[in-house]
Amino acid sequence: EAGVTQSPTHLIKTRGQQATLRCSPISGHTSVYWYQQALGLGLQFLLWYDEGEERNRGNFPPRFSGRQFPNYSSELNVNALELEDSALYLCASSEHGPQPQHFGDGTRLSIL
Amino acid sequence: QKEVEQDPGPLSVPEGAIVSLNCTYSNSAFQYFMWYRQYSRKGPELLMYTYSSGNKEDGRFTAQVDKSSKYISLFIRDSQPSDSATYLCAMRAGAQKLVFGQGTRLTINP
Repeated sequence: EAGVTQSPTHLIKTRGQQATLRCSPISGHTSVYWYQQALGLGLQFLLWYDEGEERNRGNFPPRFSGRQFPNYSSELNVNALELEDSALYLCASSEHGPQPQHFGDGTRLSIL
Repeated sequence: QKEVEQDPGPLSVPEGAIVSLNCTYSNSAFQYFMWYRQYSRKGPELLMYTYSSGNKEDGRFTAQVDKSSKYISLFIRDSQPSDSATYLCAMRAGAQKLVFGQGTRLTINP
């Protein structure tokens, strides 16, 4: 069974640009979660999508947004990139409800 | 005060030792408790998942939850060099976001 897949593996941008990160969940999983893992800050919750709807978002500015497609894949968009957005962005998926979350290997976003 | 506190280590032990990793939490609404292992340049890998107080065993790993003390532990028996990684505790209330500890960096020395 294929795990959670994320693309690209690494993304290099400059300040002010926009970034799009993509995630394909495990087959059968309808919930997708996005987390940011920045150096020294640990894993911070960004967004939760379930069955196409945004269910919750973390304490991040509105320039962090996303969506979930009918096939349950998801993308995370970050506008007006800032240097402190440099981090590993992790996607996790789970079955509907309070089920275990399984993570992909992330997209490393570097802002120059 | 952070919702979840975890000693960041680093922790270094000889091969074959028993390892004890711990987290404390403040939010009594947390119902589900997890341990993840993260290797360098990889995503977190789910090791243990539990939602009740008591012990849960899976091979060399035992997860322990004490809801009355708001304290969870992960024990690793017969530790191996391949267990060297960062261990993250995580917890949540219902089908909500995971709240993570800072992670403990563990090294098993051959």
